[in-house]
Amino acid sequence: RKEVEQDPGPFNVPEGATVAFNCTYSNSASQSFFWYRQDCRKEPKLLMSVYSSGNEDGRFTAQLNRASQYISLLIRDSKLSDSATYLCVVNRNTGGFKTIFGAGTRLFVKA
Amino acid sequence: EAQVTQNPRYLITVTGKKLTVTCSQNMNHEYMSWYRQDPGLGLRQIYYSMNVEVTDKGDVPEGYKVSRKEKRNFPLILESPSPNQTSLYFCASRTYRDGNTGELFFGEGSRLTVL
Repeated sequence: RKEVEQDPGPFNVPEGATVAFNCTYSNSASQSFFWYRQDCRKEPKLLMSVYSSGNEDGRFTAQLNRASQYISLLIRDSKLSDSATYLCVVNRNTGGFKTIFGAGTRLFVKA
Repeated sequence: EAQVTQNPRYLITVTGKKLTVTCSQNMNHEYMSWYRQDPGLGLRQIYYSMNVEVTDKGDVPEGYKVSRKEKRNFPLILESPSPNQTSLYFCASRTYRDGNTGELFFGEGSRLTVL
């Protein structure tokens, strides 16, 4: 079982739709949590950090449930430019200072 | 401009021919790391470095070496490349001043093909 698991998708949604991605992590020592965005064949870039209290950045809302070891990302009013792969990322410092990436969820937003 | 620079961006080589992928960052970051990305597997950590002269293995270190003689540079060395090292490689860095919570900044990637 992978340490960080995501549904690979693809998610195909029309413009304006709301879409939600989920991610689970297995190591309870994980300390910090992120969503990164990766466009095809490009480098990943930070979308947002994820906090237990939940956090919002414009159309994007991220949530962390430490008890269930579950992270979510909600995208409202999807735009064509949101088409990308979304990576769930976890930092921990047990067994070394590691950054663990999920394999990513592919999103296609269509006109 | 704050950036992580990798070279070469693209390389085709043959089995057994030693190669080095360079990585340099200009943000004075303590932490640097190498990842490989393969379809369906996501990014996997090869090696990382907490600071100068401090390196440690990630999840897939076999067949790779690294060094951290200067804070800004973190080269990845393939002493004897094999076809299973064909992959997309990313170098990344971040500050450690915020503990383990900082954003990772990535280079643009190096696509390596080993024939």
